[in-house]
Amino acid sequence: AQKVTQAQTEISVVEKEDVTLDCVYETRDTTYYLFWYKQPPSGELVFLIRRNSFDEQNEISGRYSWNFQKSTSSFNFTITASQVVDSAVYFCALSEANRGSTLGRLYFGRGTQLTVWP
Amino acid sequence: SQTIHQWPATLVQPVGSPLSLECTVEGTSNPNLYWYRQAAGRGLQLLFYSVGIGQISSEVPQNLSASRPQDRQFILSSKKLLLSDSGFYLCAWSVPYDAKYKAEAFFGQGTRLTVV
Repeated sequence: AQKVTQAQTEISVVEKEDVTLDCVYETRDTTYYLFWYKQPPSGELVFLIRRNSFDEQNEISGRYSWNFQKSTSSFNFTITASQVVDSAVYFCALSEANRGSTLGRLYFGRGTQLTVWP
Repeated sequence: SQTIHQWPATLVQPVGSPLSLECTVEGTSNPNLYWYRQAAGRGLQLLFYSVGIGQISSEVPQNLSASRPQDRQFILSSKKLLLSDSGFYLCAWSVPYDAKYKAEAFFGQGTRLTVV
């Protein structure tokens, strides 16, 4: 069964601090995709990144970076030099890749509420 | 380009009243469609998904139902709302077989439902 765990319910930091959001997943599939979404107070889900299970290269996009480690089934997200605008709920999600009928079905973690104080 | 429309954005309904939330997708054919709910506490839970017209799969037993009368239309309904139906409802679509989108789901803006 697929499962995504975000153990951190809430995190508070002060602006300019670095913060890492943890994500651990479970799946029996050999091919899968991992995602991070941001949900600002307005509610919509903003896509941040997708990673497939065969690509363990870490990725950096501006202040955002992602550390994918298949050996520990983790896909952690780091925000460097956090800003107040980063305050949001962040979701990690897993998608099966080999099942056409449910391709795109996402298994979400419970989310981590990040608050960045000025 | 593909777009997804979901309405209404907010809704306040009394207990026992019916519900109808609508979602339409443009710019693609035969998408997989999904209804997710986010109750207080933030978790996103899949309620229903559909791989074609009239084909609905339910993930959890509940007071809600879904229908897909047209290829790109997905409706979430209830005959009688309960207080526990309050939450944020998100519609999403994905390509059934994809090389380009890599299993990504595209979300609507959401409907915030408050049952009073």
